[in-house]
Order: sequence, then structure tokens, then C-alpha cells
Amino acid sequence: DQQVKQNSPSLSVQEGRISILNCDYTNSMFDYFLWYKKYPAEGPTFLISISSIKDKNEDGRFTVFLNKSAKHLSLHIVPSQPGDSAVYFCAASATAQKLVFGQGTRLTINP
Amino acid sequence: NAGVTQTPKFQVLKTGQSMTLQCAQDMNHNSMYWYRQDPGMGLRLIYYSASEGTTDKGEVPNGYNVSRLNKREFSLRLESAAPSQTSVYFCASRTWEAERVNEQFFGPGTRLTVL
Repeated sequence: DQQVKQNSPSLSVQEGRISILNCDYTNSMFDYFLWYKKYPAEGPTFLISISSIKDKNEDGRFTVFLNKSAKHLSLHIVPSQPGDSAVYFCAASATAQKLVFGQGTRLTINP
Repeated sequence: NAGVTQTPKFQVLKTGQSMTLQCAQDMNHNSMYWYRQDPGMGLRLIYYSASEGTTDKGEVPNGYNVSRLNKREFSLRLESAAPSQTSVYFCASRTWEAERVNEQFFGPGTRLTVL
């Protein structure tokens, strides 16, 4: 049972435009959500997170939105840059001990 | 700080061979994790160690064993490798500091092929 789902395996966006990556979850006990970015041949690196008590968190070009009633979160990147091309994983936590990851979305930014 | 380091970077095994993947962190983190990443599956937790001296199974523990050697080091052992264990393995660690308690820091990965 996939508790965290990223239904788009890939996304292609033009440089300078907005990239929107989506993530759905099923476990209502999740109270913390994170986005990780992964380049080829490297480990994932933390990007941004949000607690379930908030509905938005912003960090520079990156904003994460949380819709608890829909069990949906999204990551917005504005404006998109070529260096943003990577695989993005969303992750969720019900206890601080463990993270549950989605399948990942490969974002390609075209010049 | 080197962060989280993993050895080896690449390994090819034959079915039935054994090997140990090594992981070390220099951030004084309490918790450590082993994941595997397979195409279309995201990262799946194999085992974790909440603190020195403890280990627990994750989502996909079968075929693996772990040892938390000390606070810095957490190793993953394959006793009898199978082709289904071909994957990229990531080690991660986590602080208990309140502001970052949910964030895990990952190593560069070990790419393992079992023939």
C-alpha cells in the first residue's frame, strides 16, 4: 500500500516558468512533510518542509502548499532554472523516526 | 564535516556471495537509516537505528542484517545476495535537534549489482 504517491513520473517546464510538483498521501497520521531533491549519482538533499499545522511554507524560489482535507501537497518553483533539473521526492512522517517516500518526479527545465 | 559517507561506491556480486555496506556520519547524529532505491519505487526503508544500541526493521528488511557499531557507524550486511537485491543503497542520519528533527541527511549511495 503506497501511502505517499507522486503520480507524475516526469515533468518538463520551460526556464523561467513555474514548476508545480504534486504529491498525495493516504495516512491521516502524517504530521510533517518534506521535499528532497536528487541529482544523478548523488544522495537526496533536503529542500523544504512543512508541518501539518501550516498550509504554506516559503523559502526563496520554493514554496510548499499543504491541503490537509485533500491529503495533497505541492511544491512550486518560481522561476524555474536549469539547475532545478533533478528528481524530486516528497516524504511524510507520522513520527520523527521514519519517513515514507513517494516514487519521485523527474523535473526537466528546458532553456 | 564530511557528512554521511558510504563505502563502497560500486559493487558487483555473484548470487550467493555476501558483503557489508559501510556507513559513517560525523554530525553526531543519534539516528541512522538504510534505504534502497529502485526505479519507480522511491526510497524504501530497510532498517533503522533510532539510537546507539538499537535497531529496528523497516519496510523491506528481508535478506538484510544491520549493525550499529557505535554512534558514528551503521553497516548493512547481505548474507547471501540475490538478483532482487540489485539496487542503489542509501544511508542517512538524523539529528534530535528540535528544529530539524524530521530531516534526514543522506550519503552518496552504493550502487550494487547482483548477477
